Order: sequence, then C-alpha cells, then structure tokens
Amino acid sequence: EAGVVQSPRYKIIEKKQPVAFWCNPISGHNTLYWYRQNLGQGPELLIRYENEEAVDDSQLPKDRFSAERLKGVDSTLKIQPAELGDSAVYLCASSLELAGGNEQFFGPGTRLTVL
Amino acid sequence: GENVEQHPSTLSVQEGDSAVIKCTYSDSASNYFPWYKQELGKRPQLIIDIRSNVGEKKDQRIAVTLNKTAKHFSLHITETQPEDSAVYFCAATSYSSASKIIFGSGTRLSIRP
Repeated sequence: EAGVVQSPRYKIIEKKQPVAFWCNPISGHNTLYWYRQNLGQGPELLIRYENEEAVDDSQLPKDRFSAERLKGVDSTLKIQPAELGDSAVYLCASSLELAGGNEQFFGPGTRLTVL
Repeated sequence: GENVEQHPSTLSVQEGDSAVIKCTYSDSASNYFPWYKQELGKRPQLIIDIRSNVGEKKDQRIAVTLNKTAKHFSLHITETQPEDSAVYFCAATSYSSASKIIFGSGTRLSIRP
C-alpha cells in the first residue's frame, strides 16, 4: 500500500512569491492534516479535514494561507505571498477516523525555503 | 489554550540503559496519546499510543504510562540501542469534531556506544 505522497519535496522561492504544496493521502483515509514543522520543534497543526470539510483551521494564517480538499481526497496548501518566516517543513498526514483516536500516517514533507 | 509540555529536550544515555521521556497536557478532554519517532530528515512515525481507558501499554522494549489524574504520560525505552537515536514527540488529542492534536516540542535522544 502506498503511503502519503507529497510534492514537491523541496521548494526554494523568494519572499512575496506564491507557493503550493500537494498531498495525496492513503487510500480510504477520510481525515487529512496539514502541519508546519520548524527546525527543532514539533509539528504544528494548520488545518484538519474530515472528508472535504475543514473541521479545524484555527491555526491557519488565513491572510496568506489557503487550503482545499476537493472531492475529499487530494489536498493542496497554498501560501500567497510567502514571507521569510514561512520557511519550514510542511507535513501532510492522513488517518482513518475512528472513535477513541487513531494513527496518523505522515508524508515525507515539503521543505520550503523562503529567501 | 491547550498545551503539551515535553521533557527533557535532549537526553543522552549509554547503550543498554533505559530512557524516559515525560509529557504533561492541559486539556482534560484529551483521551488519545500517541508517541512519534522522527529520524533526521525523515517523517514522524508512530511507535506506540495509549488511550485514556488504560494506564499502561507495552510493546517489546517500548512502554507508555498514563496518569489521567495528574495529566502525565511517559515513554519508556529499555535496553536502548543505537537505532533508538532520534527525536521523539508526544502528542495529545481528544477525538471529537472540534478536537485538536497538539505535539510536544520533542526530545532528542542520543545513545552512546
């Protein structure tokens, strides 16, 4: 079974430019997460989807970040315009939502560098 | 807001000795506590988890304990090996439609040969 797929793996852009990340979750997983991980820190949840509905986007900086999960499968995360402080690894994870908690499977991440 | 604190931030142990990493959480509604291992440049991977209806869970050399009253949970690794060197993250969440999963800041574990 294929794991969570993310692309690109690396992205270098200049500040004020737009950037987009793509995630394909594990087949059948209804819950999808986007995280940002800064160096030496734990993942920070940006947004969580249950199917196509964003059920938690309280940590998403909505002035410049947007996300979508059309048809409840693939998802894209966009930053426009990017700032220097956005440099981080952006992780996508998916899970099969079950009562009482469930394992999240992470993708390899996209390492974003904003110059 | 909700918070998960993790200690220590770095831990160095002799190969064969035990390692213990501790976390505390603030949201009393939390009922699921996973632990992730992240090797350098790689994705986090679940190594063990515990739900609020049990106090301890063990999987070979790894065990997790949970004290809901004190809002503490800990990861125990026995007979440590070089391949245990990594960053370990605890997390806490409650599974409802408005739940958040919050990660600790991580513990960098180094195993000395």
